[in-house]
Amino acid sequence: EAAVTQSPRNKVTVTGGNVTLSCRQTNSHNYMYWYRQDTGHGLRLIHYSYGAGNLQIGDVPDGYKATRTTQEDFFLLLELASPSQTSLYFCASSGTGVEQYFGPGTRLTVL
Amino acid sequence: GQQVQQSPASLVLQEGENAELQCNFSSTATQLQWFYQSPGGSLVSLLSNPSGTKHTGRLTSTTVTKERRSSLHISSSQTTDSGTYLCAPFNVGDNSKLIWGLGTSLVVNP
Repeated sequence: EAAVTQSPRNKVTVTGGNVTLSCRQTNSHNYMYWYRQDTGHGLRLIHYSYGAGNLQIGDVPDGYKATRTTQEDFFLLLELASPSQTSLYFCASSGTGVEQYFGPGTRLTVL
Repeated sequence: GQQVQQSPASLVLQEGENAELQCNFSSTATQLQWFYQSPGGSLVSLLSNPSGTKHTGRLTSTTVTKERRSSLHISSSQTTDSGTYLCAPFNVGDNSKLIWGLGTSLVVNP
């Protein structure tokens, strides 16, 4: 069974704080993705990666950095978090880019 | 770029009724994926259907590639089918990204 885990599951921070969201997949997939989901906008792609050390810019990258340290691990970094980054964040992995396996999500609140 | 329209935006059924969800997209898609998001937020892939008709359990998807549309039929709905159904076309020309619709919110009442 494909497995994607995310941590933390919930995070509250203040404006200007630094936040790191972690994602690990045990599927041996090459592709990994970070999305945010907001009411009225659906899923929006922040960053993605084709493999360790690779990083691709998504559709809403401003204010976010990402790093793919290994095949398994993909991190999303928010430096100087802002209230507009309050959202539900999903990580996903895929072998082909099409059938994506999602983590449980991280709910981030920036006060 | 690719745009995805899903209809209806929301649907309320009585248990046992059938549901028909529509997805229209603006550009060519080499693949099309249907996802389910539970009321608790978890996202799972339902099926992949780039063209033609595919069945899995009580779900039937029909995609007409030339007309850039896909449908998802849920037969004999159950309360556990409640949630949001998302359509996501894929084109290798789009840098291997899925393009997401806003979804159809389905509520099945007992």
